[in-house]
Amino acid sequence: GQSLEQPSEVTAVEGAIVQINCTYQTSGFYGLSWYQQHDGGAPTFLSYNALDGLEETGRFSSFLSRSDSYGYLLLQELQMKDSASYFCAVKMNRDDKIIFGKGTRLHILP
Amino acid sequence: KAGVTQTPRYLIKTRGQQVTLSCSPISGHRSVSWYQQTPGQGLQFLFEYFSETQRNKGNFPGRFSGRQFSNSRSEMNVSTLELGDSALYLCASRTGLAGDADTQYFGPGTRLTVL
Repeated sequence: GQSLEQPSEVTAVEGAIVQINCTYQTSGFYGLSWYQQHDGGAPTFLSYNALDGLEETGRFSSFLSRSDSYGYLLLQELQMKDSASYFCAVKMNRDDKIIFGKGTRLHILP
Repeated sequence: KAGVTQTPRYLIKTRGQQVTLSCSPISGHRSVSWYQQTPGQGLQFLFEYFSETQRNKGNFPGRFSGRQFSNSRSEMNVSTLELGDSALYLCASRTGLAGDADTQYFGPGTRLTVL
């Protein structure tokens, strides 16, 4: 079967840096995405990696290593508004469905 | 551009009933995917429709079905409701075209409660 593993919860301090890891076991791989979801809200797209390496978008960066079936989301200069759940998601083939991990709840302490 | 809309936003049903949820994608998007979200289970993929055809399907029983219309609007139907069907049902749209970014845009969801 297909699986994506990510920690269920992570806690960090305001202003710090936090990394949320995602490992995947899928029969194919086309790209890894990250989504953010605040309580009561809809998931919103953060980043996408199809090739190995780091993608940076403001305070958020995402990394992919296809040989290790591993990726992470890096959040810098944490703000209280970053308290949310973060999901990694994989698409296995070009026209395939996108499957999501169970999400990581990020708690930020003042 | 208007975002993804879902109706109704909240729904209460009893076991054994059936329900139909609606999703209107972003204009120009031809792919609509449906997800079930429950606490601790993340987003579980139900199915994806592209140009009125079911392109992908998740591992849900046949009680869950869907369809897509020529204007890309999609409906999802759940028959013979069970207590375990209580969840947030999210739909997401994307262009669905090869070569385009795979960014999915989610609607606000329909909160279904089965009593």
